[in-house]
Amino acid sequence: GNSVTQMEGPVTLSEEAFLTINCTYTATGYPSLFWYVQYPGEGLQLLLKATKADDKGSNKGFEATYRKETTSFHLEKGSVQVSDSAVYFCALTNTGGFKTIFGAGTRLFVKA
Amino acid sequence: DAGVTQSPTHLIKTRGQHVTLRCSPISGHKSVSWYQQVLGQGPQFIFQYYEKEERGRGNFPDRFSARQFPNYSSELNVNALLLGDSALYLCASSLIVGGTSIHEQFFGPGTRLTVL
Repeated sequence: GNSVTQMEGPVTLSEEAFLTINCTYTATGYPSLFWYVQYPGEGLQLLLKATKADDKGSNKGFEATYRKETTSFHLEKGSVQVSDSAVYFCALTNTGGFKTIFGAGTRLFVKA
Repeated sequence: DAGVTQSPTHLIKTRGQHVTLRCSPISGHKSVSWYQQVLGQGPQFIFQYYEKEERGRGNFPDRFSARQFPNYSSELNVNALLLGDSALYLCASSLIVGGTSIHEQFFGPGTRLTVL
């Protein structure tokens, strides 16, 4: 079945450092890929998405590229801020869009 | 515009009891999904409903059931509660275009269920 594996946290960075959170997936067909973020005390919200191979999703300085050849969707940001401290979830939705699988989440702490 | 709403916010039950959780989607969204999120883990998919029909089901026992109403709101029911059912239950709504979800889901704040 479909699955998502993301790097374990927590990840602790200093402000303005480069961020990478790795995500790999296993899926049949042509899934869509997502990064969701959960800020402290808030609900899950979509950060970015990519619906086909080689698509790049981007939002708020974060980027991720849908790599079918490596089955990966790594999240990157060039310069993190304290306000980026949150839990980040990689997810995939199967072809047809009726089942979504989430990774375990990666907690990010950014120090001033 | 109102987002996804869920009720109740918190709930405490004892083992063996039954619980009903409710969700109202964003206006115009016809698909509702339910997830279970145990502390420190990612959300686990339970069900997806569209046009009152079950379209997807995760690996949960038959104690878990759901339904969707003509106004697209939804209920999640859990029978014979176990301690392990304690979790945050999330509802998400999404827009369906041409019979296939455009995939972005909007999440509600969740219902925190504690089973004693």
